[in-house]
Amino acid sequence: DQQVKQNSPSLSVQEGRISILNCDYTNSMFDYFLWYKKYPAEGPTFLISISSIKDKNEDGRFTVFLNKSAKHLSLHIVPSQPGDSAVYFCAASPYYNQGGKLIFGQGTELSVKP
Amino acid sequence: DAGVIQSPRHEVTEMGQEVTLRCKPISGHDYLFWYRQTMMRGLELLIYFNNNVPIDDSGMPEDRFSAKMPNASFSTLKIQPSEPRDSAVYFCASSQTILTGGLSYEQYFGPGTRLTVT
Repeated sequence: DQQVKQNSPSLSVQEGRISILNCDYTNSMFDYFLWYKKYPAEGPTFLISISSIKDKNEDGRFTVFLNKSAKHLSLHIVPSQPGDSAVYFCAASPYYNQGGKLIFGQGTELSVKP
Repeated sequence: DAGVIQSPRHEVTEMGQEVTLRCKPISGHDYLFWYRQTMMRGLELLIYFNNNVPIDDSGMPEDRFSAKMPNASFSTLKIQPSEPRDSAVYFCASSQTILTGGLSYEQYFGPGTRLTVT
C-alpha cells in the first residue's frame, strides 16, 4: 500500500529549461510535505518543504506546489542545471505524527543534459 | 559536525549469515530512523527510536530483522539469517525535537550501507 507515489521513475530535461517532478498521495491526514535530493553513493538531503496550510513555497530555483483537493504536489526547478541531476524523493508526514515520521515515495531520477 | 555515520559502507554476505549494520547519529539528535531503499518501493521506514526507545517498528519486514539503540550515540540493525531479497541500501537518519516543542521534520541521513546477500 503505497501512500506516497511518484509515478515517473525518470525525467530528462535540457539545461536551462524547467524540471517538474510530481508526487501523489492517498492519505488525507498528511499535513506536511518535503522533497529530498539524493546523489549516488550518498544519503538523501533535505531540499524544500511545504505545510498543508500553504499551496506554494519557494526557495531560489526550487518551488513546491501543493494541491490538497487533488492530493498532488510538484517540485519545479527553474532553470535546471546539470548539477541538479539526482534522484528526488517526495515525503509526507501525517498530522498525528509521532516524532517526525516520514512516508517516502519511490523517487524520480532527474537527468539535466547540457 | 561529522553528520550521521554508518558502517560498513558495503557488505557482501552469503545467505543464512548474520549481518549487523551500525549507525552513529548526530550528537544531540533524539530521533533515529532506519530505512531500506529498493527500486520498487523507494525508501521504506523500518523502525524509529526516540531517546533510545523504539517507537514504531511496524515497517520491520520479518522477525529476522531486529534493531537496538543501547545509547544515544549508537544503533544497530541486525538481520539473522540473511536472504538474497534483503539486498538493498540501508540508511540511518537522525533528527531532533525543536526546543519550542514542535517537531523537526528534517531528517539527516547517513551515506547508507549497500548490502548484497548471495
